[in-house]
Amino acid sequence: QSALTQPPSASGSPAQSVTISCTGTSSDVGYYNYVSWYQQYPGKAPKLLIYEVSKRPSGVPDRFSGSKSGNTASLTVSGLQAEDEADYYCSSYAGDSTWVFGGGTKLTVL
Amino acid sequence: EVQLVESGGGLVQPGGSLRLSCSAAGFTFSDHRMTWVRQAPGKGLEWVASVKQDGSQSFYVDSLRGRFTISRDNAKDSLYLQMNSLRAEDTAVYYCARWTADYKAFDIWGQGTMVTVSS
Repeated sequence: QSALTQPPSASGSPAQSVTISCTGTSSDVGYYNYVSWYQQYPGKAPKLLIYEVSKRPSGVPDRFSGSKSGNTASLTVSGLQAEDEADYYCSSYAGDSTWVFGGGTKLTVL
Repeated sequence: EVQLVESGGGLVQPGGSLRLSCSAAGFTFSDHRMTWVRQAPGKGLEWVASVKQDGSQSFYVDSLRGRFTISRDNAKDSLYLQMNSLRAEDTAVYYCARWTADYKAFDIWGQGTMVTVSS
């Protein structure tokens, strides 16, 4: 049950794209297609952005997309907007009804 | 409106106990696994525990098994976290979250309740 590895920070200018990685192991990210991503503003609860690697709940803009290759999942934010400045967390099912989160990435819109 | 509201946080001395509650509204509580996730100040999210829909089985992060107990009362649409032998490192905001089989993810979160363990 080790935390997934995310870069502490990422940044991009408005209208640009930025990708945040999330590295796990062959026992979690690499084995299951149950990777999800959450957006969190300071002092607020997390919000589900992406589930099952690449699917978006209704209401989430299609600027947010997810993918996975091997033990690494990625979240891409296209057409960056000022409101995208937030913390982003990945999560993966780790088997035996347990879950693991990443350490979080602070996204700055320059 | 679908919502989760946590309560029960506060200041507790090291070695003490605290029971958190989470009240659900706007959905069929007994249809969903429920979870506690915590976030230490300035830190990332940590999955703490989950409980099956009928409360028959519960699951914990290895580091907390034995000190924390998750439970639920479907008649009251409520989720609980009993925390014993609290340590300074348990200081965090504790969120309850709904897990949905539709998404295999946590789709509804409460606003969180702060637990501070300090003398």
